Amino acid sequence: QKEVEQDPGPLSVPEGAIVSLNCTYSNSAFQYFMWYRQYSRKGPELLMYTYSSGNKEDGRFTAQVDKSSKYISLFIRDSQPSDSATYLCAIWGLSLQGAQKLVFGQGTRLTINP
Amino acid sequence: DGGITQSPKYLFRKEGQNVTLSCEQNLNHDAMYWYRQDPGQGLRLIYYSQIVNDFQKGDIAEGYSVSREKKESFPLTVTSAQKNPTAFYLCASQGGYGYTFGSGTRLTVV
Repeated sequence: QKEVEQDPGPLSVPEGAIVSLNCTYSNSAFQYFMWYRQYSRKGPELLMYTYSSGNKEDGRFTAQVDKSSKYISLFIRDSQPSDSATYLCAIWGLSLQGAQKLVFGQGTRLTINP
Repeated sequence: DGGITQSPKYLFRKEGQNVTLSCEQNLNHDAMYWYRQDPGQGLRLIYYSQIVNDFQKGDIAEGYSVSREKKESFPLTVTSAQKNPTAFYLCASQGGYGYTFGSGTRLTVV
């Protein structure tokens, strides 16, 4: 079982739609939860991070964490073509192998159609 | 501006040849990482280093080697033992709980 599971998509939605991206994780020791955005042929860049269960908003983006279900989500409101990218969830904590590191999901490729 | 510089952006390797990918950071971060990214497979950890002169294997270290002689530099060598090296390679450094990534090197076997 992978430590972090993410649906790779691809996901294609019309401009203006609300997008929901999700990840599940298996290790309850995981503590910090992040979302990275990666444009084609570029390195990932940190989009949002959160520590606790609940919601965190930043403009059109909302990160949601449910530690009881080991489930994290990223919502994008009023999606724009410039949001087209691969989104990777990443979770920081003590891995199953006992080392502190950032564990990445597989990434979801998102396309926003004008 | 602080950041991570990877070079070259594109690299072509002949069969049986070793190549070295450069990664330099001026963020004063102790920990650095190398990932490989293939379509549909996400990021896979090759090697990481938490301090100068020390490094550990990641999940897919076979066919790769690294060195960490300076805090700023963490080069990755793709050896001839790596049978399928064509991929996008990403270097990262750790500040706090997040990683800063370079812009990547695309390696192709010709």
